[in-house]
Amino acid sequence: AQSVTQLGSHVSVSEGALVLLRCNYSSSVPPYLFWYVQYPNQGLQLLLKYTTGATLVKGINGFEAEFKKSETSFHLTKPSAHMSDAAEYFCAVSDYDTGRRALTFGSGTRLQVQP
Amino acid sequence: NAGVTQTPKFRILKIGQSMTLQCAQDMNHNYMYWYRQDPGMGLKLIYYSVGAGITDKGEVPNGYNVSRSTTEDFPLRLELAAPSQTSVYFCASSLDPYNEQFFGPGTRLTVL
Repeated sequence: AQSVTQLGSHVSVSEGALVLLRCNYSSSVPPYLFWYVQYPNQGLQLLLKYTTGATLVKGINGFEAEFKKSETSFHLTKPSAHMSDAAEYFCAVSDYDTGRRALTFGSGTRLQVQP
Repeated sequence: NAGVTQTPKFRILKIGQSMTLQCAQDMNHNYMYWYRQDPGMGLKLIYYSVGAGITDKGEVPNGYNVSRSTTEDFPLRLELAAPSQTSVYFCASSLDPYNEQFFGPGTRLTVL
């Protein structure tokens, strides 16, 4: 079965500091990988996705993530945090090798940005 | 386009009551999903559908039922509400399983 591990349920950074949110996955086939963001009292929206091709993926709001097959990782980064980045972030992996055409989500990381 | 809409936004149920959470999308997506979100647990897939008339169980289907009579609508039914079903429920849709899922705003359900 697929699994997604997000290290750190809460991450706090200062405004202007580097943001690094970690995601490791398990998959027996090349995965499709996603990062979603959830602002308070809202649904999830896509930040970026990796399907095939270039392993460094750029998303919205200055975020990017790098697919590292050897480390089974897909960490999310942003060079300089902004107050508006405070939200919960979810990593997700395709579930296709189990035959279920859906995504498996990690448990989420809540990002706090201190002024 | 309205995207994915969900009603109601909030609901309080008594134990044993039943209700239907509504979900509709206007993007002509074949794939639709129901998730529940509990604090610190991420999203768990309840049911999903790959097209009208076709549904399948996710990770946590017990206590729920779904139907998909049209491409647009994917209601979730709770027959005998239990406190363990207190959660935030999200509906989502996608063009295919390899692409972005679009989420509704959620329904916050409390069972007392």
